[in-house]
Amino acid sequence: GAVVSQHPSRVICKSGTSVKIECRSLDFQATTMFWYRQFPKQSLMLMATSNEGSKATYEQGVEKDKFLINHASLTLSTLTVTSAHPEDSSFYICSAQMGGGTTKNIQYFGAGTRLSVL
Amino acid sequence: QKEVEQDPGPLSVPEGAIVSLNCTYSNSAFQYFMWYRQYSRKGPELLMYTYSSGNKEDGRFTAQVDKSSKYISLFIRDSQPSDSATYLCAMRALGGGYNKLIFGAGTRLAVHP
Repeated sequence: GAVVSQHPSRVICKSGTSVKIECRSLDFQATTMFWYRQFPKQSLMLMATSNEGSKATYEQGVEKDKFLINHASLTLSTLTVTSAHPEDSSFYICSAQMGGGTTKNIQYFGAGTRLSVL
Repeated sequence: QKEVEQDPGPLSVPEGAIVSLNCTYSNSAFQYFMWYRQYSRKGPELLMYTYSSGNKEDGRFTAQVDKSSKYISLFIRDSQPSDSATYLCAMRALGGGYNKLIFGAGTRLAVHP
């Protein structure tokens, strides 16, 4: 149980294009989903927190117009990197958190998306 | 000072060794403590989850939380080459708007045959 699917695993795009990354909780309903960014040999950096049906809460320094987050259902959140540039190249990871019960504080992570912007 | 301190390593041990990984923290409000394992270019995988103080054992893994010292540990017995990965401690406070997990820097572990 508690499987989170993230797609695509790898994307290469040209500078100026937009890229959408999907995060799905396959066997549970996720009231909250999180988007992280990870640079090589560094820990995870939280970008934003999204609750189903409401606007995402972005961390300080993260451009909300650059990184669009949609959490339209209890099993799906998307991150769109708009007008991507080489400095946006990174490893993006989503996580999903269940609602209710003693397990509600556990985040389950997707496998990550490696974005390379040429 | 970071909220969570974790030695990034790398830590290199021979197969079969007992591995001890540790984190210290400064926020006494933290109540939930987790250890994640992350293989290269993959997402973190939950290994252990502990609420408040105490020990928890799962197979070769034991997690310990000492809230009085603000110190958590993960022990790996009979380490295997497949345990080679980065281990991230993570913690969060209880209730309110404290949904965020605070991660340590991650310790890179290499288990050699």
